[in-house]
Amino acid sequence: GENVEQHPSTLSVQEGDSAVIKCTYSDSASNYFPWYKQELGKRPQLIIDIRSNVGEKKDQRIAVTLNKTAKHFSLHITETQPEDSAVYFCAASQQGGSEKLVFGKGMKLTVNP
Amino acid sequence: DTAVSQTPKYLVTQMGNDKSIKCEQNLGHDTMYWYKQDSKKFLKIMFSYNNKELIINETVPNRFSPKSPDKAHLNLHINSLELGDSAVYFCASSPPGLSDEKLFFGSGTQLSVL
Repeated sequence: GENVEQHPSTLSVQEGDSAVIKCTYSDSASNYFPWYKQELGKRPQLIIDIRSNVGEKKDQRIAVTLNKTAKHFSLHITETQPEDSAVYFCAASQQGGSEKLVFGKGMKLTVNP
Repeated sequence: DTAVSQTPKYLVTQMGNDKSIKCEQNLGHDTMYWYKQDSKKFLKIMFSYNNKELIINETVPNRFSPKSPDKAHLNLHINSLELGDSAVYFCASSPPGLSDEKLFFGSGTQLSVL
């Protein structure tokens, strides 16, 4: 089955800096890679996703890149703000297959004002 | 107007008790899930139902029994609660078709077993 590794487990940056969160996956058949943000005490929420036919996707200050050959994908946050502080989860699945979405263990991002 | 709602938000109970968590979604989604989030924030799927039928049943003790009376509801009943069951339980749903992996989570139920 799919295994998703996420690193680092914690990251602290200064407001305005960029943050990068990296994930690797094991199953080459996986073709859907979402990112979820979970603020303290809140529910996880989808912030961006990418499918394997695309190498990069951007939405305002966040972008995701995918390297299918190396089986890794990354979330990039530019011009970080204190409200970006949260736990970020990457995940992978095989769209249309019976495989479930497999989450990484999460990364706690702290943006210091 | 909450899309995925679950109750109760907090549940404090003694070991050995039986408890239930209810979940309802008004998004018209076909698939619903239960996830467990432990103290280290790890999100792990427990069950998945599609249109009232069980499709994923992870290695979960049979003390946990999901029930889906219709596709808008997925409840979780837990028998003989143990200390290790303490966690946050999230209900989620996903739409049909190509977006079926997009999960919409409920606000979570924090279960504390004493």
